[in-house]
Amino acid sequence: AQSVDQPDAHVTLSEGASLELRCSYSYSAAPYLFWYVQYPGQSLQFLLKYITGDTVVKGTKGFEAEFRKSNSSFNLKKSPAHWSDSAKYFCALEGGTEGADRLTFGKGTQLIIQP
Amino acid sequence: EAAVTQSPRSKVAVTGGKVTLSCHQTNNHDYMYWYRQDTGHGLRLIHYSYVADSTEKGDIPDGYKASRPSQENFSLILELASLSQTAVYFCASSAGTGKCCFGPGTRLLVL
Repeated sequence: AQSVDQPDAHVTLSEGASLELRCSYSYSAAPYLFWYVQYPGQSLQFLLKYITGDTVVKGTKGFEAEFRKSNSSFNLKKSPAHWSDSAKYFCALEGGTEGADRLTFGKGTQLIIQP
Repeated sequence: EAAVTQSPRSKVAVTGGKVTLSCHQTNNHDYMYWYRQDTGHGLRLIHYSYVADSTEKGDIPDGYKASRPSQENFSLILELASLSQTAVYFCASSAGTGKCCFGPGTRLLVL
């Protein structure tokens, strides 16, 4: 079985600070990992993905994420944070060939950037 | 512009009634999905489909049926709506890379 954990339900930061949203996963093989963002009242938008290769992947809106196999993490980062980054962020895993094309989502982290 | 659309955008249903949520995509994607979003649960997969006329059960299929009559259309059917099915429902399509295009969501309230 595959699972995704986002341990921080809420994160509050000041504008200009560096943000890092945590994500850990459980999967027996090589995972495909994703970050999505949901702005208030809107649907989910794709931010970035890791399939293979470079462990730091860059996405839209100035975000990047680092894949660390050693501790099964895929944390999302951005510096500096802007008030417009306030949204809910979801980490997701696609489990390779088994359960291929089925995204398993974490519960999300609500990010608030204070001006 | 390629997109995923859902109808209705919101609905109030009575307990025991039948509800059909519709999804249409113009992305030419083979894969389509139905997720529900509840506070504290993130998104959970209900049903999905790889090809027209075929559907697969996701992680929480009980109480739901799905129909994929064509590549573009994917419906979610609640034969006997229950209070616990109050949620926001998202349809998504994908080319199989894991990068999904999500619809705007349908807010369902079952009374």
